[in-house]
Amino acid sequence: TQLLEQSPQFLSIQEGENLTVYCNSSSVFSSLQWYRQEPGEGPVLLVTVVTGGEVKKLKRLTFQFGDARKDSSLHITAAQPGDTGLYLCAGAGSYQLTFGKGTKLSVIP
Amino acid sequence: KAGVTQTPRYLIKTRGQQVTLSCSPISGHRSVSWYQQTPGQGLQFLFEYFSETQRNKGNFPGRFSGRQFSNSRSEMNVSTLELGDSALYLCASSLGVPGETQYFGPGTRLLVL
Repeated sequence: TQLLEQSPQFLSIQEGENLTVYCNSSSVFSSLQWYRQEPGEGPVLLVTVVTGGEVKKLKRLTFQFGDARKDSSLHITAAQPGDTGLYLCAGAGSYQLTFGKGTKLSVIP
Repeated sequence: KAGVTQTPRYLIKTRGQQVTLSCSPISGHRSVSWYQQTPGQGLQFLFEYFSETQRNKGNFPGRFSGRQFSNSRSEMNVSTLELGDSALYLCASSLGVPGETQYFGPGTRLLVL
């Protein structure tokens, strides 16, 4: 069974601080996706990383995919209250996504 | 382009009853996947349909079933409901290529009493 472990589970920080969320897998996925989910909504895709060592930037968000394609991280610079939400990583397999349990982020104004 | 829609948004049932949830994918998408989300287990894959055929199934009991119609709309059925079936049920649609982006609906929140 392929598993994705996310850490930390919960994170509460002040506006303007930086943070990093980690996603570690017991096996290799063809690609890894990061989603953000807000209360009452479905997850929304932020980024897909495919190549080992890949780094992608989306404004204040930086995503890294490990060289072995088994781990990934999401770094947020100068967090804002609008970044509050549940961050999920998901590994893509044959016709399904395997999700981590998520990191619940609260950014306090 | 309209997003993924799910109906109903909220549902309350009692143990032993059955329930049917509906999902309409984005126009042109032929793949629909279903997931169960609970605080303890997170998002877990139920099954995926493509052109009316189930291509993949997660590790859930046979009480959970689904189907897809020729217009790509999908339904999910849970029979003999248990308290532990209380969850947010999400469906996602895509073109059907492995690893591509899946677009999620807002979910149906099911409460079993």
